[in-house]
Amino acid sequence: QVQLVQSGAEVKKPGASVKVSCRASGYNFTDYYIHWVRQAPGQGLEWMGWINPNSGGTNDAQNFQGRVTVTRDTSISTAYMVLGRLRSDDTAIYYCSRSYHNTDYYSALDSWGQGTLVTVSS
Amino acid sequence: SYELTQPLAVSVALGQTARITCGGNNIGGKNVHWYQQKPGQAPVLVIYRDDHRPSGIPDRFSGSNSGNTATLTISRAQAGDEAVYYCQVWDRNTWVFGGGTKLTVL
Repeated sequence: QVQLVQSGAEVKKPGASVKVSCRASGYNFTDYYIHWVRQAPGQGLEWMGWINPNSGGTNDAQNFQGRVTVTRDTSISTAYMVLGRLRSDDTAIYYCSRSYHNTDYYSALDSWGQGTLVTVSS
Repeated sequence: SYELTQPLAVSVALGQTARITCGGNNIGGKNVHWYQQKPGQAPVLVIYRDDHRPSGIPDRFSGSNSGNTATLTISRAQAGDEAVYYCQVWDRNTWVFGGGTKLTVL
């Protein structure tokens, strides 16, 4: 079955960077885009960006441009998200998920990782 | 940027029908997806492309989309349906979520 397994919780200081991983199994990793979505405590879902594991191409939400970097290692079916210049309001659960493509028709996020709590505190 | 508007909360009596709306400018021209999120869990896709159910989602869940409003309908509501529901669309290569609706089953 399809699984997205994320790395464990992180505690970081303001100004630092955090790297979260998302290991895919149960399907061909390069066939689906990987997205990153975050959720601040008690808040809604916020889309951050995607990577096309096949080409390595990325697209980031305007709110995060310049701070977020998404990469992948196809040899181990893993995507990574690095968020830099952390602030206290970056404290959130970060999820990876997947979509079949980056078009309207295929934009449903049909599988999600378990989430990674990132806490930013001095 | 494109915006989606959902009511903060909806309540439904056990066994009755709940309807959760998602408003957006000409949303009827987009594919709308719905997610269910229970406390402490990751979101789960319950409806995709307006009215399609992924495998394993009960047929009590249905969707519609027309004009400026998409609707998630939950028939014969159960206690286990209590959750926050999010709508989502694609807009110019970005993924947009509604603010979420807390469904309470009374």
